[in-house]
Amino acid sequence: SQQGEEDPQALSIQEGENATMNCSYKTSINNLQWYRQNSGRGLVHLILIRSNEREKHSGRLRVTLDTSKKSSSLLITASRAADTASYFCATAKGGSYIPTFGRGTSLIVHP
Amino acid sequence: GAGVSQSPSNKVTEKGKDVELRCDPISGHTALYWYRQSLGQGLEFLIYFQGNSAPDKSGLPSDRFSAERTGGSVSTLTIQRTQQEDSAVYLCASSLLLETGRHIQYFGAGTRLSVL
Repeated sequence: SQQGEEDPQALSIQEGENATMNCSYKTSINNLQWYRQNSGRGLVHLILIRSNEREKHSGRLRVTLDTSKKSSSLLITASRAADTASYFCATAKGGSYIPTFGRGTSLIVHP
Repeated sequence: GAGVSQSPSNKVTEKGKDVELRCDPISGHTALYWYRQSLGQGLEFLIYFQGNSAPDKSGLPSDRFSAERTGGSVSTLTIQRTQQEDSAVYLCASSLLLETGRHIQYFGAGTRLSVL
């Protein structure tokens, strides 16, 4: 079973708008990661947030982590058509080296 | 340097045949993972190799699936007597294990397996 689940399953926005995706997980974690997957490609790591961090930024990406609610959000600001992809969160339970992935959010950004 | 390389990129086979999927990890990465991704699904963990330790095979769905990693580098995932439900994209990832829990994975483009 998936440790993390992304919400929504699909998101369609216009270029320039912000996109917010959420991830909920079940057990305590060491860190949470977000990955991006373009159609027909492998996953690319975007950002890692540790369990003792609450917010992290990288370019147009902003990730928050609320360990009390076991949830994280990924915000992409000023979206571009090139941001069209599927976005996955990955978590590893304490002591585990095996990240588990959710089903992902499919983001479509219309030019 | 080169990223994670997987071959073949596409494989079409007949039900009942055996297939071998290959993964060349990033040089120096000690950890190697295999995942399976079915249409519209997340990544299903299959197997994990770390250095010379015994692999974690807990995700392999049946005894028709096996994997090996030779010389701590190249890995081969073998599926025997393929079934139609084995059709999926098989993704390989490698990583450097930093401190506990911090293991950013680098993925290959995957092998798309179609079992007819």
